[in-house]
Amino acid sequence: NAGVTQTPKFQVLKTGQSMTLQCAQDMNHEYMSWYRQDPGMGLRLIHYSVGAGITDQGEVPNGYNVSRSTTEDFPLRLLSAAPSQTSVYFCASSPNEQGPNEQYFGPGTRLTVT
Amino acid sequence: AQRVTQPEKLLSVFKGAPVELKCNYSYSGSPELFWYVQYSRQRLQLLLRHISRESIKGFTADLNKGETSFHLKKPFAQEEDSAMYYCALSAADKLIFGTGTRLQVFP
Repeated sequence: NAGVTQTPKFQVLKTGQSMTLQCAQDMNHEYMSWYRQDPGMGLRLIHYSVGAGITDQGEVPNGYNVSRSTTEDFPLRLLSAAPSQTSVYFCASSPNEQGPNEQYFGPGTRLTVT
Repeated sequence: AQRVTQPEKLLSVFKGAPVELKCNYSYSGSPELFWYVQYSRQRLQLLLRHISRESIKGFTADLNKGETSFHLKKPFAQEEDSAMYYCALSAADKLIFGTGTRLQVFP
């Protein structure tokens, strides 16, 4: 099993550009989530999904969209990139469909917006 | 409000010294708490959870509901313990992380 995979590993965007961060897992986990990691702020939840077709907002959802058309994939879309979205983005999945408890994390995507 | 507080950004100790990484939480329900660790150039991974009352890599953490704390302890730190440690609270269908504490263990 590859676990949780994320692409790309690094990305540089100009302000106003849009892009999609990809996340996939092959563990048949129902729960998936996206976090951003910023110095001094820890990990903050952007969006999450408790199963295919269901998504919900986390702590910092503004400027991001998600969809969950399959159990395996949970892409994160930046609609119009801003310098404040410069961060490291982590995708995670959990086998517990009732909650995120034990989460398996991807390797992260380092995004810079200029 | 649901919140996890880790008051120390950096904790530096010498090898063999005891370690305590502090975590306090705010939650109105019955809390489920976790410690996650991120070693250099590795993925964030679960270290331990309060419900299993286990010891992993010599680390233990006890949930103290009276003090709303879940401090992580190890009696004798090792250099390989150097990492970023996050305390996390499971609140309904979200996992809420603290801001993290970087542990540096010097030889």
